[in-house]
Amino acid sequence: AQSVSQHNHHVILSEAASLELGCNYSYGGTVNLFWYVQYPGQHLQLLLKYFSGDPLVKGIKGFEAEFIKSKFSFNLRKPSVQWSDTAEYFCAVNEGYQKVTFGIGTKLQVIP
Amino acid sequence: GAVVSQHPSWVICKSGTSVKIECRSLDFQATTMFWYRQFPKQSLMLMATSNEGSKATYEQGVEKDKFLINHASLTLSTLTVTSAHPEDSSFYICSANRAGGALVSTDTQYFGPGTRLTVL
Repeated sequence: AQSVSQHNHHVILSEAASLELGCNYSYGGTVNLFWYVQYPGQHLQLLLKYFSGDPLVKGIKGFEAEFIKSKFSFNLRKPSVQWSDTAEYFCAVNEGYQKVTFGIGTKLQVIP
Repeated sequence: GAVVSQHPSWVICKSGTSVKIECRSLDFQATTMFWYRQFPKQSLMLMATSNEGSKATYEQGVEKDKFLINHASLTLSTLTVTSAHPEDSSFYICSANRAGGALVSTDTQYFGPGTRLTVL
């Protein structure tokens, strides 16, 4: 079965610091990759997604992620975080059959 | 666009009763809806995939007779937790794929806000 690993469960950063959240998946075939964000009190929202093409994907609010097939990774990055980025971030993978497997999530706390 | 709602947002019930949770796509049609369960400090676990007009596909370990799913229209799916027990207390989240499009497998899922179920 496919699995998704998020290495950092809780990250605390100061504003303007750079962010990188790790995500690795286990499936060796063609995958679609997602990062979702859940702001406090809100539902899950799509941050960015990779289906094919350029492995460097740009999403909303200045986030980007890079798909590295050889490393089975899809790390999320942002060069300078803001307090409003405080949220929980979920990496997700599907194998092309709509079923999506989620990572355990990473809680990001940005300190003003 | 692509708004998904859930009702109720929270529910408290007595053990042994049944609870129905609704998931609606408000501004699009969804041929496929998904039901997830999230325990504290854990990830979302897919319970079942619901296709409009057909039986739901349940994930391994999920009791289909306990978690009844009905997807009667392109905008509504319901999850009924039958004879609920305290161990069923959890956060239930639905998501929906937009209908149409050649590459169904690449459709993005849009999530509802979730329903907090507490069984006493």
